[in-house]
Amino acid sequence: DGGITQSPKYLFRKEGQNVTLSCEQNLNHDAMYWYRQDPGQGLRLIYYSQIVNDFQKGDIAEGYSVSREKKESFPLTVTSAQKNPTAFYLCASKGRTATGLAKNEQFFGPGTRLTVL
Amino acid sequence: GQQLNQSPQSMFIQEGEDVSMNCTSSSIFNTWLWYKQDPGEGPVLLIALYKAGELTSNGRLTAQFGITRKDSFLNISASIPSDVGIYFCAGQLQDFYNAGNNRKLIWGLGTSLAVNP
Repeated sequence: DGGITQSPKYLFRKEGQNVTLSCEQNLNHDAMYWYRQDPGQGLRLIYYSQIVNDFQKGDIAEGYSVSREKKESFPLTVTSAQKNPTAFYLCASKGRTATGLAKNEQFFGPGTRLTVL
Repeated sequence: GQQLNQSPQSMFIQEGEDVSMNCTSSSIFNTWLWYKQDPGEGPVLLIALYKAGELTSNGRLTAQFGITRKDSFLNISASIPSDVGIYFCAGQLQDFYNAGNNRKLIWGLGTSLAVNP
């Protein structure tokens, strides 16, 4: 089945440790996104990537890093510099139409809930 | 980052009632998207709108792209208990000056829907 997977579903880390969240898609989508969701604050964009080996900062990139070495994968590292890392993290991807035009619809994975103790 | 004005913030209705929610902005959009999120899960795309005035249905859901291109609404008819969740609107800006804005979605803060059986 085609889709977006995020692992693990729940993640616990001690304060001061870096942690990497996985996002994989087999939809052949070019663009991938990372969002952070806190209660009552909706979705906030952390990083996004339009193509392999390229990515841009979103609205709240401080304390996070990403890589895009493969089209299918867009891992997010939450570093110790992130002051309040406990949140629900969502990965999304976006594809193109049959004629190659970029579509605006993003499709989401199931999310990873990170708790820093 | 920029946000859409989504209202109402929450709704508590009786099963069988119709529901209406909307999103507005001072900016012009070329795409409106409506998502539903269940607790602890990623948002699921309900309806995508690409043309001003477009009215699109998905089962009991109907959404419209406002004529001014600055708003959109979502209606749910004859609500059922499984309609419970958070509904998000998202839009793609029409930005001729900043290409980066054309690759990101702007999100509302969500409408939380509760249905009393």
